[in-house]
Amino acid sequence: AQKITQTQPGMFVQEKEAVTLDCTYDTSDQSYGLFWYKQPSSGEMIFLIYQGSYDEQNATEGRYSLNFQKARKSANLVISASQLGDSAMYFCAMREGLWWGYNFNKFYFGSGTKLNVKP
Amino acid sequence: EAQVTQNPRYLITVTGKKLTVTCSQNMNHEYMSWYRQDPGLGLRQIYYSMNVEVTDKGDVPEGYKVSRKEKRNFPLILESPSPNQTSLYFCASTYLPGLAYLPSTDTQYFGPGTRLTVL
Repeated sequence: AQKITQTQPGMFVQEKEAVTLDCTYDTSDQSYGLFWYKQPSSGEMIFLIYQGSYDEQNATEGRYSLNFQKARKSANLVISASQLGDSAMYFCAMREGLWWGYNFNKFYFGSGTKLNVKP
Repeated sequence: EAQVTQNPRYLITVTGKKLTVTCSQNMNHEYMSWYRQDPGLGLRQIYYSMNVEVTDKGDVPEGYKVSRKEKRNFPLILESPSPNQTSLYFCASTYLPGLAYLPSTDTQYFGPGTRLTVL
């Protein structure tokens, strides 16, 4: 089974509007971390936001927020007030377990969502 | 400046000709990892290393070798490259967590990527 599923290969959003990028994950661990990365056309990977499985509040970083629904195993990224510079590929990722766990050292990435912001 | 560097950034080679992609980080990170990125598949982990002389397989290790003789360096070796190894490769590094009972909040720092073409 896929550890990380991103069901939206591509999305369009109008500039200044909010957009939600979906991410669901699969793990039996109680302790895990969820990450979102942005990859612009230039290719570099840019860290956006992190959510820990024990965090009770949704993570926020500027215009980015993570809608964490633990029971549904979803970690959607919300971008408020989209800008043209937000056009990029977005990846959801997970690191399972505590550091002594055998699978702790593995990171799992989704297939990505390509976001296009229209002027 | 904290960074992960990779060389070369672009490489075109032929089937069977051994090559090495270097990766170096200046943040004293214990953990380093290699990924390949293919369209529609996201990033998949090839190998990772917890520290010097400690390496282990990720999800797609076939056809690759790594070594970790120094903390800062983690080269990726393709002994006999094949066309199916044509891909975008990323090296990444991060700290290992200091608190054993919490998920690591540390994101990975990615290198700029190496675009490899095997003819």
